Amino acid sequence: DTGVSQNPRHKITKRGQNVTFRCDPISEHNRLYWYRQTLGQGPEFLTYFQNEAQLEKSRLLSDRFSAERPKGSFSTLEIQRTEQGDSAMYLCASSLRGFGGYTFGSGTRLTVV
Amino acid sequence: SQQGEEDPQALSIQEGENATMNCSYKTSINNLQWYRQNSGRGLVHLILIRSNEREKHSGRLRVTLDTSKKSSSLLITASRAADTASYFCATEGEETSGSRLTFGEGTQLTVNP
Repeated sequence: DTGVSQNPRHKITKRGQNVTFRCDPISEHNRLYWYRQTLGQGPEFLTYFQNEAQLEKSRLLSDRFSAERPKGSFSTLEIQRTEQGDSAMYLCASSLRGFGGYTFGSGTRLTVV
Repeated sequence: SQQGEEDPQALSIQEGENATMNCSYKTSINNLQWYRQNSGRGLVHLILIRSNEREKHSGRLRVTLDTSKKSSSLLITASRAADTASYFCATEGEETSGSRLTFGEGTQLTVNP
């Protein structure tokens, strides 16, 4: 297992288009998290899953954002009708409850033009 | 909004010197974690300290936690040019344990060869 994998690494899209990102967590990890990070800031929590259940969503996650984790394995984050303010690095992380630190992927950098 | 605040925002030192970064937070925590992020990359977990611990070591890293002052420090000894990165503290709150990390805004460390 090579860690948390995110695809694509970079995405450039026109305003108003829909985009979807994928995250493959460490297979033994039952928790999966999405964070967003803008330049010069720390990551901000978006949502998390325990197995296939989405247990918490941040107020940052507007109705244009949706995340899924079918079968408790990989996860997708979709942004509909993208806006320039959505430009950011989207980070995925996974953890095994009770065993400490999170493992982050390398992120997907979204640029909305 | 970010709970943690790192101090300083930026730190520039010479190779071989020690680097100290501080973090303050606002709510009761289950644990506090430190992460490193190289430019444009994902975050790497460095060390976790639980709320009932006061000090922890890992290689050249030393972390302290003062829950009465709601603060933590990260000391990197004998710094190397490869330590150049952004360093973030993140807290796992008692009420949100396991569901999310709340990150500070980070300290940008530059180690000059």
